Amino acid sequence: IQLTQSPSLLSASVGDRVTLSCKGSQNINNYLAWYQQKLGEAPKLLIYNTNSLQTGIPSRFSGSGSGTDYTLTISSLQPEDVATYFCYQYNNGYTFGSGTKLEIK
Amino acid sequence: QIQLVQSGPELKKPGESVKISCKASGYTFTNYGMYWVKQAPGQGLQYMGWINTETGKPTYADDFKGRFVFFLETSASTAYLQINNLKNEDMATYFCAITMDAWGQGASVTVSS
Repeated sequence: IQLTQSPSLLSASVGDRVTLSCKGSQNINNYLAWYQQKLGEAPKLLIYNTNSLQTGIPSRFSGSGSGTDYTLTISSLQPEDVATYFCYQYNNGYTFGSGTKLEIK
Repeated sequence: QIQLVQSGPELKKPGESVKISCKASGYTFTNYGMYWVKQAPGQGLQYMGWINTETGKPTYADDFKGRFVFFLETSASTAYLQINNLKNEDMATYFCAITMDAWGQGASVTVSS
């Protein structure tokens, strides 16, 4: 399964609602996770099984979707959210998306 | 708590081999398989495969069959990734992970003549 993320680069202001997209080449059956990666760090799990918030992750992060289309939403962008975000499917093998780099405007 | 501590940065020449370690602590080593992920500079994440820590059987993703070897030292709760006949495109950071939320810090490999 291939994953296509869009946009590849997103610039937004602090406080904005931000939406990141991930589209699969096949049905992912909700086995979709989202990771945040800051420069020089390992990826951090934010969301698993499409919409389950990982322990310790702020509630401004949420996930949704079904079938082949999935979304990560940040309800109110904070400066510490600057990072690259990857989607990850584990329905059929394991595949990462190419990432969305999120910047503050 | 679960910790995965990887070995330090490596500088190698094309054609050489490199061995990266991933030492686990805070859990029973054989309870989880060990997964490996590659991240080339400025690029995304690429699943390399995993090794069954109970049986030692490795499974490689298609792009990582041949020069890449996963193996274990179970008595030391350590997993290894060895890359043989290094190529320029192997220059990357390599992560080990046991679950979706337990990752090592990454080990960088630089390939340069």
